[in-house]
Amino acid sequence: QVQLVQSGAEVKTPGASVKISCKTSGYTFTNYAIHWVRQAPGQRLEWMGWINAANGGTRSSQKFQGRVTITMDTSANTAYMELSSLRSEDTAVYFCAKDGVLAGTRGNWFDPWGQGTLVTVSS
Amino acid sequence: DIQMTQSPSSLSASVGDRVTITCRASQSIGSYLNWYQQKPGKAPKVLIYLASVASSVQSGVPPRFSGGGSGTDFTLTISSLQPEDSATYYCQQNSSPPFTFGGGTKVEIK
Repeated sequence: QVQLVQSGAEVKTPGASVKISCKTSGYTFTNYAIHWVRQAPGQRLEWMGWINAANGGTRSSQKFQGRVTITMDTSANTAYMELSSLRSEDTAVYFCAKDGVLAGTRGNWFDPWGQGTLVTVSS
Repeated sequence: DIQMTQSPSSLSASVGDRVTITCRASQSIGSYLNWYQQKPGKAPKVLIYLASVASSVQSGVPPRFSGGGSGTDFTLTISSLQPEDSATYYCQQNSSPPFTFGGGTKVEIK
């Protein structure tokens, strides 16, 4: 059974960084890309970026460029998302999700998702 | 960025009703349209991908869910609403990054 298990909730002060992990199991990690999506309170889902687990290539939304870093550790079957220069508007639940297509290179549907990690940014 | 607009934003229907949710893209996205169901406090779950393909590998989506459309206009239909379908539904385009989502449709059971 494919599972994505994320790290626990975080509380950060403005200007700090947060790094969330997404540990995968039940499939060959390098065969599928991993996406990161966030959901601020009362807001729609927002795609942040993705990593091609076959080669480590990444692409992020222009909105987050310069602030988001997506990495992976293939030996641990784990992807990471780090968001820097946090502000109150970054308070959200952050999800990782597996791409739906084997060796997909264009970005596809997301299935399944991790359980989510709540990041609260507050002074 | 491609803008995704869903309607209605919420609806209330009875068990057994046929429910249709609409999603419109700001430009043509072919069939690169996916639908997700999200229940409170949970992660989204894919229902339909490539506009009309019901997810079965991970999710085992019931056959009462179906999707249609292409280009800019898409629909998600629940043929016979069940109590467990109470949730928020989102469309998402994967035609070009950033992969944007609609604003969601909250479905309530009368």
